This record gives sequence, structure tokens and C-alpha cells, in this order.
Amino acid sequence: AAGVIQSPRHLIKEKRETATLKCYPIPRHDTVYWYQQGPGQDPQFLISFYEKMQSDKGSIPDRFSAQQFSDYHSELNMSSLELGDSALYFCASSLVPSSGELFFGEGSRLTVL
Amino acid sequence: AQTVTQSQPEMSVQEAETVTLSCTYDTSENNYYLFWYKQPPSRQMILVIRQEAYKQQNATENRFSVNFQKAAKSFSLKISDSQLGDTAMYFCAFIIQGAQKLVFGQGTRLTINP
Repeated sequence: AAGVIQSPRHLIKEKRETATLKCYPIPRHDTVYWYQQGPGQDPQFLISFYEKMQSDKGSIPDRFSAQQFSDYHSELNMSSLELGDSALYFCASSLVPSSGELFFGEGSRLTVL
Repeated sequence: AQTVTQSQPEMSVQEAETVTLSCTYDTSENNYYLFWYKQPPSRQMILVIRQEAYKQQNATENRFSVNFQKAAKSFSLKISDSQLGDTAMYFCAFIIQGAQKLVFGQGTRLTINP
């Protein structure tokens, strides 16, 4: 069965650079979520989209922005990268918002040097 | 604010034993969902089991079952006949019905020894 696809799987950037992560949800899933998991930490909710509109916002820095496109894929843009942005970034999707059953991608590991 | 607490940072058992992971949560809401997610070394978050708060019957998925105590706000995971492949980080998570934010606990690192 098709799963959530994230790209790139690994990304290395310098401080103050910009990074873009992409997420392709499971076909027919209309809700996308972004989570950030620091080393040894639990995942922290960043932002979610339902039908291409932002539906909820968590602890997402102002330097980050995200959107969901007409084909339901989503992109997380991160600017002015800081060392503390190094983390695993998960995208998840669901068919029914707030049913709670999220399907996660394998994550994109961002390392900021 | 909703919080999820996992009081066991690490656990270790022998293969084929039964192990129970603890989770408590705090909310004033009445309608919500609870989950256990597994994160193996491959890093992917995999849903293990799901429980609707309005259901009194405890959820079961093969070797995995939960003990849901709504009044106590407790949601423990029992793994029976543990296998080496069960070695992973286990996260308890919670979402309020109608909300978008899934709140995770701190995780329990479970090691199954041969």
C-alpha cells in the first residue's frame, strides 16, 4: 500500500541557509501534519493543513512556513537556519481530520552545521 | 493544556515475556483518542493501537492490548509474547476530537533481549 513519502531523507545545511522539505500524503488523504523531533525528544507538532488551508498551528518558528498544494502535497520551508533546527521532521497524513489516526512518513533528517 | 506522561524512560525484558508500558494523560475534554506509536531504529512512526475514549472496551491488536482507565486517565500498553522486533521507542499519544494536534509523551525505550 502507498505510504507517506518525504523528501529528501537527509539534508545538510549551513547556518543561515534555507531548506525545503516535501511531503506527499497517502492518495486521497486530505490532511497533512508536520512534526519536529529533536534528538532524544518526542515529536512536537508544527502545523497542519486540511484541504489546502492551514487548520492548526503549533510551535512553529516564524522563520518556518508551510503550504499545501492543489495536489495535496505539502512543503515546509525553513529559513535562517539555526543549529537548533537540526532534527527529524515528520510529515503525516490522514483521511478524516481529527480522527486521530495519522500515517507517518519516514522523516527527513536535517542537520545544520 | 493537554499533557501525556510516560514515566518509564527505558524498559528491558527477555524475549517471549510480557511487558506493560505506562501512560497517563491530562485533559478536561470528554471526547478524544489515544494511541500507541512505535518508532524502531529505522525512525518511522508506526501506529500500534488506537482507542476511542467513548469506548469502554479495551482495544486489542494481536499481541498488543491496552488497559484504558478513563477515570484515572491511564492508558497502558501490554505486549504479550514479546519478540526481538518489538525493540523500539514507544510513544503514547493523545488527540482531542475535532482538534488537529496530536500530543506525544516523552517515550519509553523498550529493548527485547534474546
